Amino acid sequence: DAGVIQSPRHEVTEMGQEVTLRCKPISGHDYLFWYRQTMMRGLELLIYFNNNVPIDDSGMPEDRFSAKMPNASFSTLKIQPSEPRDSAVYFCASSFRTGGRDEQFFGPGTRLTVL
Amino acid sequence: TQLLEQSPQFLSIQEGENLTVYCNSSSVFSSLQWYRQEPGEGPVLLVTVVTGGEVKKLKRLTFQFGDARKDSSLHITAAQPGDTGLYLCAGGPSGGYQKVTFGTGTKLQVIP
Repeated sequence: DAGVIQSPRHEVTEMGQEVTLRCKPISGHDYLFWYRQTMMRGLELLIYFNNNVPIDDSGMPEDRFSAKMPNASFSTLKIQPSEPRDSAVYFCASSFRTGGRDEQFFGPGTRLTVL
Repeated sequence: TQLLEQSPQFLSIQEGENLTVYCNSSSVFSSLQWYRQEPGEGPVLLVTVVTGGEVKKLKRLTFQFGDARKDSSLHITAAQPGDTGLYLCAGGPSGGYQKVTFGTGTKLQVIP
């Protein structure tokens, strides 16, 4: 079975440019999460969706960040305009909550470098 | 806001040694997961514990959930270089599904 798929794996861009990260969750999972990981702050939840609907976006740093989930098999995280402090590894994860178990399955991540 | 503190933050040990990593919170969790993350990869789920006092074993790894479901520990027996990685605990809040809280992480290095 395919796991969570993310693209691109690496992205290098210049400050001010728009960046779009993509995620395909595991088929049948009804929750999708976007995280950001840095050495200083660890793993931070940015936003999560349930059945394609955004539930909590309180972790989104500012208005430059936006996320969409147009259908159950695809989600995007967009940064516009990007800044050097956005450099981090961005993970997408999906889960199917059953029996009180909150197990998440992570993609390989997108390493973003903003120059 | 639920916080999960892990200790130690960093651990460097020789192959064959035993170690324990702790995950503590003041909040009650309905379930708690342990993940391992290797460089350049996403976290991979190791185990889920849901019952207070529950103990689960995964080969040389032993996981325990505290009786009050506020803390957990991970014990590794006879560590091997393949155990090297970042260990993360994560808690699911009780009383309905909300965002899972991830711990601060323990970076383990096992030296051959």
